Amino acid sequence: DAKTTQPNSMESNEEEPVHLPCNHSTISGTDYIHWYRQLPSQGPEYVIHGLTSNVNNRMASLAIAEDRKSSTLILHRATLRDAAVYYCIQYSGAGSYQLTFGKGTKLSVIP
Amino acid sequence: EAQVTQNPRYLITVTGKKLTVTCSQNMNHEYMSWYRQDPGLGLRQIYYSMNVEVTDKGDVPEGYKVSRKEKRNFPLILESPSPNQTSLYFCASRPFFGQALVETQYFGPGTRLLVL
Repeated sequence: DAKTTQPNSMESNEEEPVHLPCNHSTISGTDYIHWYRQLPSQGPEYVIHGLTSNVNNRMASLAIAEDRKSSTLILHRATLRDAAVYYCIQYSGAGSYQLTFGKGTKLSVIP
Repeated sequence: EAQVTQNPRYLITVTGKKLTVTCSQNMNHEYMSWYRQDPGLGLRQIYYSMNVEVTDKGDVPEGYKVSRKEKRNFPLILESPSPNQTSLYFCASRPFFGQALVETQYFGPGTRLLVL
């Protein structure tokens, strides 16, 4: 079962920042937080990952709380192409080494 | 270009007619897996493989078979498809050895299967 909790859906206006929250209260010290997104009619794609400190890449930023029980994916300027389901994954590497996807947050971007 | 390819992309078949969905990756990844995606149930892992000739069951393996004879290919076999296997299927791959907790997983474009 997915170990993270995310809102079912969120809306954003185009060209505004978006903050997508995720709770992972059972996280252990070595678990990573990965974010993937799934655009309509496509397979999931990697967005970003982190362990303790905040992370930035060309797609997004990841802010991880000091106690690591929550994190926020930040899209700095939402575009229509960012409309997707965003998955937050708590990954320990145990068992089958699978990334366990929950239901994610469906992000709608309003022009 | 690094990619995972799946064929066919769309398939309509009848109950009991054996079918194979192919998956191939060009990134020399050790780990490959199959997921199915159903409304309200999300992505669930069917089978995975950590390397050639090493496969194991995921969360929903019933009715499926896989093989890993070559590193780049990981076909999904439905010996006797049933309507409850109507779903959207994704193949995925990623490096396994080394920093397995941080490596990116790449997904194929999906295969939409309808079993009548």
